[in-house]
Amino acid sequence: AQSVSQHNHHVILSEAASLELGCNYSYGGTVNLFWYVQYPGQHLQLLLKYFSGDPLVKGIKGFEAEFIKSKFSFNLRKPSVQWSDTAEYFCAVLSGSARQLTFGSGTQLTVLP
Amino acid sequence: EAGVVQSPRYKIIEKKQPVAFWCNPISGHNTLYWYRQNLGQGPELLIRYENEEAVDDSQLPKDRFSAERLKGVDSTLKIQPAELGDSAVYLCASSLGTGATTNEKLFFGSGTQLSVL
Repeated sequence: AQSVSQHNHHVILSEAASLELGCNYSYGGTVNLFWYVQYPGQHLQLLLKYFSGDPLVKGIKGFEAEFIKSKFSFNLRKPSVQWSDTAEYFCAVLSGSARQLTFGSGTQLTVLP
Repeated sequence: EAGVVQSPRYKIIEKKQPVAFWCNPISGHNTLYWYRQNLGQGPELLIRYENEEAVDDSQLPKDRFSAERLKGVDSTLKIQPAELGDSAVYLCASSLGTGATTNEKLFFGSGTQLSVL
């Protein structure tokens, strides 16, 4: 069965700091990869996704993620975070066979003004 | 555009009582999902519908959980009887398309936070 690991449970940064949130998955076949975000008091929403092509994917609000197949990773990055980026971030993997979206446990990001 | 609507927003019940959650997906979305999110964890799929057919219910605890999606639009998720361990947020999501194109972008509701005392 596929699994998703997000090693950072809580990350605290100051505004303008650079961000990298780790995501590793366990599945050897074709995968589709996602990052979802949940802002305080709001519902989960898609931040970006990777299906094929360029492994560097750009999403909304200046976020990007890089798919590194050899490392089974899909880390989320942002060069300069803002206070409004405070949210919980979830990595998710969709495998080719199960077609079931599996979420990681999430990383709470707190950005200090 | 109206999003995925769920009700109630909060529910507090005593153990062994029944409880039901309701979801209205985005208009035109063929696929509907019920997820459970325990505290400090990511959402876990309970059941996925394509139109009115449950195509993946492998994670649904069928001894106490049931779901239906009559007419392929609204859906209800029921727990009877509820146990202490059922306390969680129950999320509904919908997506456009079915089969190979499903799961490409899920739209989530705000969830129902269930507390079983």
